[in-house]
Amino acid sequence: DVKVTQSSRYLVKRTGEKVFLECVQDMDHENMFWYRQDPGLGLRLIYFSYDVKMKEKGDIPEGYSVSREKKERFSLILESASTNQTSMYLCASSLILGLAVYNEQFFGPGTRLTVL
Amino acid sequence: KNEVEQSPQNLTAQEGEFITINCSYSVGISALHWLQQHPGGGIVSLFMLSSGKKKHGRLIATINIQEKHSSLHITASHPRDSAVYICAVRVITQGGSEKLVFGKGTKLTVNP
Repeated sequence: DVKVTQSSRYLVKRTGEKVFLECVQDMDHENMFWYRQDPGLGLRLIYFSYDVKMKEKGDIPEGYSVSREKKERFSLILESASTNQTSMYLCASSLILGLAVYNEQFFGPGTRLTVL
Repeated sequence: KNEVEQSPQNLTAQEGEFITINCSYSVGISALHWLQQHPGGGIVSLFMLSSGKKKHGRLIATINIQEKHSSLHITASHPRDSAVYICAVRVITQGGSEKLVFGKGTKLTVNP
């Protein structure tokens, strides 16, 4: 079974702190994704990565950065946390992208971040 | 207007009822996904389809590419089916990659 793990289930930080959210997958997937999920808005893509050291902005990248130094690990960084970044953060991974490959995404359990 | 619209937003059913959740989209897609999210946050993929119909147990997913519409059906619903069901479409980004665009989800509650 594919396993996607996230470093914390719950996290409480203060405004202005630098926050690291870690995601690790154990199936050698090329692609990894970071989403945030808010009531009434659904899942929104923050950033994704299709290879080591490669990244592409999603729909709401402002206030976030990412790092992918190793294939299995994708980190989401909040340089200076703000209260509007309080949310559920979900990581996902998939095998390869491409029109010919109808791959599914495997999701981690989520990290509920509260910024005070 | 959202690119992916789901209806209804909330659905309450009695155990045993036949359930339908609808998804309409306005963009060109390469595939459509149905996902299930239980309380606590975990999301699992139910179906991935680009045409026709797929069945898995009591769940059936259909898609009509021309009408840009998909439905998820649950037969003989059970309280354990209570969850949020999310429709997502796969689109091509400006950079040539693919990403998922999500509907806001349908919260299903099945009462015993």
